[in-house]
Amino acid sequence: AQSVTQLDSQVPVFEEAPVELRCNYSSSVSVYLFWYVQYPNQGLQLLLKYLSGSTLVKGINGFEAEFNKSQTSFHLRKPSVHISDTAEYFCAVTESGAGSYQLTFGKGTKLSVIP
Amino acid sequence: DGGITQSPKYLFRKEGQNVTLSCEQNLNHDAMYWYRQDPGQGLRLIYYSQIVNDFQKGDIAEGYSVSREKKESFPLTVTSAQKNPTAFYLCASRGADFDEQYFGPGTRLTVT
Repeated sequence: AQSVTQLDSQVPVFEEAPVELRCNYSSSVSVYLFWYVQYPNQGLQLLLKYLSGSTLVKGINGFEAEFNKSQTSFHLRKPSVHISDTAEYFCAVTESGAGSYQLTFGKGTKLSVIP
Repeated sequence: DGGITQSPKYLFRKEGQNVTLSCEQNLNHDAMYWYRQDPGQGLRLIYYSQIVNDFQKGDIAEGYSVSREKKESFPLTVTSAQKNPTAFYLCASRGADFDEQYFGPGTRLTVT
């Protein structure tokens, strides 16, 4: 079975500062990895995904993530945050070739950008 | 304009009543999913369907039921057997095997 751990439930950061949201996963097989963002009372929007190939993945809104197989991590980074980045961020994993492609989500990290 | 619609946005029910949440997609996706979201808990899978007339239980299916009679529609019924139904419910769909899941805007259900 797969699992996802998001190490920080809340991350406050000043505007224009860099941020890293941490995600570690556990799986015995190859995986696909995703980061989603959720604004209050809305659905989830995909930020980026890792399927294969280059371990550095670039997404929307200036976010990027790096897949590290040896450390089973997929941390999300942004070099300079904006007030509009205030939201909850979810890391998710699915086993590649699993058929159902069920996503297992972490519990989320709330990013608060301080003006 | 393709996407997933969920209605209503807010739903209020009395304890002991069944309630059905709507999920419709016009993305021509085969797979559809229902998740429950509680504060600090992330998203947990209730049911999923990979094709019309077929569906599978997720991690927390007890007290819920679904149907998949049409490709576009995957309604979720929260029955009176669900002990703690108040939550935010999200529907999603997926196209290709390696594709991401696309989410609807969610329905917030409050049961008193």
